[in-house]
Amino acid sequence: DTEVTQTPKHLVMGMTNKKSLKCEQHMGHRAMYWYKQKAKKPPELMFVYSYEKLSINESVPSRFSPECPNSSLLNLHLHALQPEDSALYLCASSFSATNEKLFFGSGTQLSVL
Amino acid sequence: AQTVTQSQPEMSVQEAETVTLSCTYDTSENNYYLFWYKQPPSRQMILVIRQEAYKQQNATENRFSVNFQKAAKSFSLKISDSQLGDTAMYFCAFMQDSGGGADGLTFGKGTHLIIQP
Repeated sequence: DTEVTQTPKHLVMGMTNKKSLKCEQHMGHRAMYWYKQKAKKPPELMFVYSYEKLSINESVPSRFSPECPNSSLLNLHLHALQPEDSALYLCASSFSATNEKLFFGSGTQLSVL
Repeated sequence: AQTVTQSQPEMSVQEAETVTLSCTYDTSENNYYLFWYKQPPSRQMILVIRQEAYKQQNATENRFSVNFQKAAKSFSLKISDSQLGDTAMYFCAFMQDSGGGADGLTFGKGTHLIIQP
């Protein structure tokens, strides 16, 4: 199994809603990443988890709250988002935080109304 | 901080032609990795090819090859015998080899490659 699975594929939410994005991998990878990608732009790193601990937070607003409950699962909890947060959210994993080969999921397309 | 520059926002070639995508980067580090990722309309990021900075030999993967010029900080991608399925956004990316910390990828702005039938 060489897949990174993200759910849901599409999400529409209001600014007062609370929702969560889910990312799962069963490759034994110990580093997991969240990226945000706006249309026609490159992905931007948001968070890095290494061995289930948050190691990088790229100054992301607190309305985005990551969680890594175990080595296979990465969540991104969303609360009080703004319309400008609408984007594709990509999850990735790698064998370790020092291993350069990242495997990406197909993303969650988020629309905030 | 590292920067990655792709100077060609869009390119279009005929099927079966050879095309070269340009990428330059800026870093003060000596140990790092360079990548080309492909993002088709499905939006999934697919690794095309990677290069370790300490290796002088250019990486090759089937129809894809790179021209890595470390002194010039240049990393171009050549696609031979281009196919319709190569139509995608191509991102050049950089990762520092920090040897112990966690680092993500720094991406260039991308080149939209269109293969015409």
